[in-house]
Amino acid sequence: EADIYQTPRYLVIGTGKKITLECSQTMGHDKMYWYQQDPGMELHLIHYSYGVNSTEKGDLSSESTVSRIRTEHFPLTLESARPSHTSQYLCASSSWSGTAVNEKLFFGSGTQLSVL
Amino acid sequence: RKEVEQDPGPFNVPEGATVAFNCTYSNSASQSFFWYRQDCRKEPKLLMSVYSSGNEDGRFTAQLNRASQYISLLIRDSKLSDSATYLCVVNADYGQNFVFGPGTRLSVLP
Repeated sequence: EADIYQTPRYLVIGTGKKITLECSQTMGHDKMYWYQQDPGMELHLIHYSYGVNSTEKGDLSSESTVSRIRTEHFPLTLESARPSHTSQYLCASSSWSGTAVNEKLFFGSGTQLSVL
Repeated sequence: RKEVEQDPGPFNVPEGATVAFNCTYSNSASQSFFWYRQDCRKEPKLLMSVYSSGNEDGRFTAQLNRASQYISLLIRDSKLSDSATYLCVVNADYGQNFVFGPGTRLSVLP
């Protein structure tokens, strides 16, 4: 089992609120990711990080921002939540021990966000 | 054209059936290959890595054909608990991101 944790599991919040979705991993992985997924739809990469102080935008444009001050922690923030942000947000981290062949991706349990 | 494509599904099969999923990828530099399983409203979980020599884990067999850029997953004696979406995932190298296929949904019926 992967040691990657997301909180909260579910969040219902009103429009205009600032929210932060937490993600932590205890595996010492350098690379971390945020994906967004609507029900029955594909995963979309919205942010990733190669390590401390590294943040990159993913394939899908997102109004959210991320930070990576510590290796184990990769929070995602929405400054002003809107109903269009309603979705499932999945955090992940990947192992790497020399070659891509050994690199595996592990997911947290996700945060289901509903913005009213 | 998507970088990773899968059978569109859904696959509805009776218990005990053998079912095969197909996946193709366009990046010839891809080095690692995986099948993930995702249950409804849950996170994807690694089912198995896919190696050039082919590999088996119980009722599951994965094959990779680098020349054709093709990956397959075979499930034998399917169980009700196998019902899920199966995601084909490839990775080119460290520094690149994992690329997910759209997934193929499987429903195993009693």
